[in-house]
Amino acid sequence: QQQVKQSPQSLIVQKGGISIINCAYENTAFDYFPWYQQFPGKGPALLIAIRPDVSEKKEGRFTISFNKSAKQFSLHIMDSQPGDSATYFCAASMKRGNTPLVFGKGTRLSVIA
Amino acid sequence: NAGVTQTPKFQVLKTGQSMTLQCAQDMNHEYMSWYRQDPGMGLRLIHYSVGAGITDQGEVPNGYNVSRSTTEDFPLRLLSAAPSQTSVYFCASSISGLGSYEQYFGPGTRLTVT
Repeated sequence: QQQVKQSPQSLIVQKGGISIINCAYENTAFDYFPWYQQFPGKGPALLIAIRPDVSEKKEGRFTISFNKSAKQFSLHIMDSQPGDSATYFCAASMKRGNTPLVFGKGTRLSVIA
Repeated sequence: NAGVTQTPKFQVLKTGQSMTLQCAQDMNHEYMSWYRQDPGMGLRLIHYSVGAGITDQGEVPNGYNVSRSTTEDFPLRLLSAAPSQTSVYFCASSISGLGSYEQYFGPGTRLTVT
């Protein structure tokens, strides 16, 4: 049972455009929603995270939008650059009970000049 | 700090061979995990540990063994390699908990089983 559904599987964006990746979850007990960025040949690294009591979090060109009632959250990359080309994973965290982090299946982003 | 280190970086095995993937962290993190990454499948949890001497199974544990004798090391053993175990393996650690949003990943081991 996939607890976090991520779309699209792959995305091609022109340089300077906006990249949008969406995720949906079912379990309302999740209490943190991080995004991980993975460059080819490297391990994933935490990019940005949001709590469910916040509707938006922005760090530079990266923004998480969170819709608690719809149980959806999304990553927006403004002014996308070729250096943003990577695989992005959304995830859901439940700190209580040592439940492992749940990952989406990933989105491969290619930013072309 | 070196963070999370994994060795080897690449490995080719024949079906039936056994080997150990090494993982070490120097951040004194209690929580460590092993994931495998396959195209279109995302990151799938193999085994995890909440402290030295304590391990448990994740989503896809079959064919793998782990042990945790020290806080720093968390090796993953393939008992009898199969082509289905061809994958990229990542070790991760966390100070805040298994479900902490902040996990630190190693650089990965790319394993091919022929």
